[in-house]
Amino acid sequence: EVQLVESGGGLVQPGGSLRLSCAASGFTFNNYWMHWLRQAPGKGLVWVSGINGDGSSTSYADSVKGRFTFSRDNAKDTLYLQMSSLRAEDTAVYYCARGPVFDSWGQGTLVTVSS
Amino acid sequence: QSVLTQPPSASGTPGQRVTISCAGSSSNIGSNIVNWYQQLPGTAPKLLMHINNQRPSGVPDRFSGSKSGTSASLAISGLQSEDEADYYCAAWDDSLNGWVFGGGTKLTVL
Repeated sequence: EVQLVESGGGLVQPGGSLRLSCAASGFTFNNYWMHWLRQAPGKGLVWVSGINGDGSSTSYADSVKGRFTFSRDNAKDTLYLQMSSLRAEDTAVYYCARGPVFDSWGQGTLVTVSS
Repeated sequence: QSVLTQPPSASGTPGQRVTISCAGSSSNIGSNIVNWYQQLPGTAPKLLMHINNQRPSGVPDRFSGSKSGTSASLAISGLQSEDEADYYCAAWDDSLNGWVFGGGTKLTVL
């Protein structure tokens, strides 16, 4: 059974940094593109970033480009989202999901950016 | 404002058929596949339909998808109370080089 478990969310001040993790199991991790998506409170889904199977290629939404870095450790079957220069508008539940069609999602981790 | 346009709400009574639309452009729906996601209250989204009209294992055949030009739609027949959820369409956008979503449609079963 495919499982994705996010962690690392919490409260951070504007301008601060946070690193999210997503532990994967139940499938051959390095065969898949993986993605981060987010959902602000009461709002819709937004794609944040994607990474290919060996970690050599990443893509980002314009809203996070230059501030967020997506990486993966295939030896640990784990994804990482390093977020810096955080803004209030980054407040959201962050989900990791399996590509190419987001067929499996984690339960999400809440990031709150507030002073 | 989302790149893909969905009606904010839809409703129907048990047993009815409802359709949710998703309008895009030539750079997204017009040239790429459309996926649909169901999000039950308080839960993570779930893939409901992919490659325009393919149901993942476990999704009832009451759900169907279609695409024409730069628009897509999700149809739910034999509406049930457990279908009450938010529904989102998504597609890759060649101009933005990223995935884009609709704003979501809240389905209410009356």
